Amino acid sequence: GESVGLHLPTLSVQEGDNSIINCAYSNSASDYFIWYKQESGKGPQFIIDIRSNMDKRQGQRVTVLLNKTVKHLSLQIAATQPGDSAVYFCAEILRFSGGYNKLIFGAGTRLAVHP
Amino acid sequence: DVKVTQSSRYLVKRTGEKVFLECVQDMDHENMFWYRQDPGLGLRLIYFSYDVKMKEKGDIPEGYSVSREKKERFSLILESASTNQTSMYLCASRGAGTKYEQYFGPGTRLTVT
Repeated sequence: GESVGLHLPTLSVQEGDNSIINCAYSNSASDYFIWYKQESGKGPQFIIDIRSNMDKRQGQRVTVLLNKTVKHLSLQIAATQPGDSAVYFCAEILRFSGGYNKLIFGAGTRLAVHP
Repeated sequence: DVKVTQSSRYLVKRTGEKVFLECVQDMDHENMFWYRQDPGLGLRLIYFSYDVKMKEKGDIPEGYSVSREKKERFSLILESASTNQTSMYLCASRGAGTKYEQYFGPGTRLTVT
């Protein structure tokens, strides 16, 4: 929503530069992670996911890196465009006995792209 | 494409009113979720449902209830709205299996006065 970006860390980049958004996760047993993008006035939108048996996964202009040793996730956006301006959330899977699971979301990082 | 729709984009209610937020998904997903989103707090899970008529409490269920009478529809109910329930409410759905991606609706901005 419109106020999601308030009180969040902000990354400001120039159009055309590469962006790196970082996320620390809490559960060492988490084996699945997602990055979401939320534009102003919209719900979160899936960008890319990665399982813990991988260190890196690439999509279109985006790369997710996973460092399980330090429980760190990063999202790299190549050649950042004004349309990339949004709040970005990482999420980790938390599993429960009984077979169900839920996503735990980070607080988010606001990406501001300047022309 | 998966489509998740929410009944209202903006809603203003008075303290003490009963409030219904409706969510519908068109992908025959088994799992549906209600979150609230507040500045600096990210998304917090209120309730979720993994099947018709089934519901589970999330992290902040107090003051809320849910209903899932049909697979495609998941309703969030505020029995007696309070000002601290002013927030952005997001509905999401997910299919069964090992793909954990949740698809979100556009959100409902609820203001309780």
